[in-house]
Order: sequence, then structure tokens, then C-alpha cells
Amino acid sequence: GAVVSQHPSRVICKSGTSVKIECRSLDFQATTMFWYRQFPKQSLMLMATSNEGSKATYEQGVEKDKFLINHASLTLSTLTVTSAHPEDSSFYICSASPGGRENIQYFGAGTRLSVL
Amino acid sequence: GESVGLHLPTLSVQEGDNSIINCAYSNSASDYFIWYKQESGKGPQFIIDIRSNMDKRQGQRVTVLLNKTVKHLSLQIAATQPGDSAVYFCAENRGQAGTALIFGKGTTLSVSS
Repeated sequence: GAVVSQHPSRVICKSGTSVKIECRSLDFQATTMFWYRQFPKQSLMLMATSNEGSKATYEQGVEKDKFLINHASLTLSTLTVTSAHPEDSSFYICSASPGGRENIQYFGAGTRLSVL
Repeated sequence: GESVGLHLPTLSVQEGDNSIINCAYSNSASDYFIWYKQESGKGPQFIIDIRSNMDKRQGQRVTVLLNKTVKHLSLQIAATQPGDSAVYFCAENRGQAGTALIFGKGTTLSVSS
């Protein structure tokens, strides 16, 4: 159980285009999902917290108009990188929490974004 | 600021040895900790967790130790195997539902056979 599916696993796009990444909790409901960004050989950096039915909470320095987050249901959150540029190239990872006392978070497999 | 860090960026062991990966945290209010394993190009995989009212928890081949006095967390892997080679992150959380994890910098474990 506790599977989080992230799609696509890899995407290559031209500069100026927008890319949508999906994060789905397959066997549990997730009131809250999280989006992280990871650069090579570095740790995960929290970008935003996504709550079902409400606006996402962005971390300081993350442009909300650049990284659009939608949490339309208890099993789906999407991250759209708008007008992507080469500096947006990175590994993006989502996580979902089934809630409860322990607040365990389960992670998707990540999306490798390369902007040409 | 609040942070969770690891003592060593890399650790190399021989197959069959026991591995110990360490982590120091600075927020005394943290009451929940998780160890994750991340293989190259993949998302973090949950290994084991521990709440602050415990000082030790065991899983299959893994043990997590928590020393709240010195704000130190460790992950012990028994009989390390080549498949254990990965980056290991500790993460801390206040345990409240809906709050994000704060990740340490990671330790790369390399297991040679």
C-alpha cells in the first residue's frame, strides 16, 4: 500500500513552453501533498504545500506564478512549470501524506525536467 | 535556522559489514523523524520512523536510534548488501498532519562486494 504515482518520469521541452507534472496517491486519500525540487547531489528542497480544495502554500523564494499547483481531488495534485527556462531544469518530486498521527509521507518516483 | 544535517557526506563499507549513518538536528521541538533511502534517479523510499517518545526502533535489518539530549539520530543497517547502496536522508517533522518534512543533506552509502 501507500503508493504515489508521478507522471511523467522524464520530460524534455523547449524554452518558453509549459510542462505539467501529475502526482497521484493510488491507494489512499491525501489531504495534503508536497512538491520538492532536487538538484544533483543535493537534498530535497520544499517548494510548496498543496491542500485539496485550497490554494497552495509556497516556500519563500518560489514563484507561485511560475510554478502553478492545483490539488483538485484527494488523490491528485499537479505542478505546472510555466514558460520553462533552462534554469528550471531539475528533478521534481511530489509526496503525499495519508494523515494521521505519524504524518508519514510517501514519495513519487520523481520527474526529470530538461529545458532546452 | 532550523535544519537537519548529516555528519558525513559519504560512507563506504564492505558487504556484510554493519553501517551506521548519523544525523544531527537542531530543532528541539521536532517530535517525529524518518529515514529515507534514495536510489539514483528515483524518489525517496521510506525506511523507518521514530517518534520522540522512543529512543530506539527496529525494523528488518535496520535500527533507528534517537538521542534527544544531544539531538542526534542514527540509522544502523545490519549485514549491509550491495543493494543498500544509495543516498540516505534523515527528515524531521513536528508530527502534525499536513506539515512538511525538513530534510538533511544526505549520506551516500557505497557497498562493495
